[in-house]
Amino acid sequence: AQSVTQLDSQVPVFEEAPVELRCNYSSSVSVYLFWYVQYPNQGLQLLLKYLSGSTLVKGINGFEAEFNKSQTSFHLRKPSVHISDTAEYFCAVSGDDMRFGAGTRLTVKP
Amino acid sequence: DGGITQSPKYLFRKEGQNVTLSCEQNLNHDAMYWYRQDPGQGLRLIYYSQIVNDFQKGDIAEGYSVSREKKESFPLTVTSAQKNPTAFYLCASSVTSGGSTDTQYFGPGTRLTVL
Repeated sequence: AQSVTQLDSQVPVFEEAPVELRCNYSSSVSVYLFWYVQYPNQGLQLLLKYLSGSTLVKGINGFEAEFNKSQTSFHLRKPSVHISDTAEYFCAVSGDDMRFGAGTRLTVKP
Repeated sequence: DGGITQSPKYLFRKEGQNVTLSCEQNLNHDAMYWYRQDPGQGLRLIYYSQIVNDFQKGDIAEGYSVSREKKESFPLTVTSAQKNPTAFYLCASSVTSGGSTDTQYFGPGTRLTVL
């Protein structure tokens, strides 16, 4: 079975600064990788996903992620964050089944 | 307008009562899932169903039950045997691609509180 580790539980950052949310995974089979965002008291919304092909994946709201097979990582980045990016972010891996990380709370301060 | 609906949004239960959470999708997805979310613990899988009239236990199925009589519907019953049911419950659906689960689409969630 596969597993996901999100390396930071909380990431505070100032508005317009760059941000990176880190995600490592483990799996013995080929996987699909996802990043989801959750706003308070709402369901999860897909930001981006990697199924195959280019290792740099672009998603909604200016986010992007890079799949690194040798380092088993799928870190999420945004070059300039906005107050509205404040939310919980989940990394997920799909192989035999779907596994979610514990989440990273991104707080963007003015 | 396709999507997943969950009802109710907020639910209060007295100890010893069973309650049923509704989940409906019109995305024509074969697979449906129920997750429980607690603060700082991410999502934990309760049950999932890949086809009508069939479902499997997830990691934390004890105290819960489900049915899948229609493709569109996957209700979750929280029974009195569930010792700590207060949580945020999320329903999702998906297609599969090459044997692996592709994007899961989530409902807005139901917050259950036991009084």
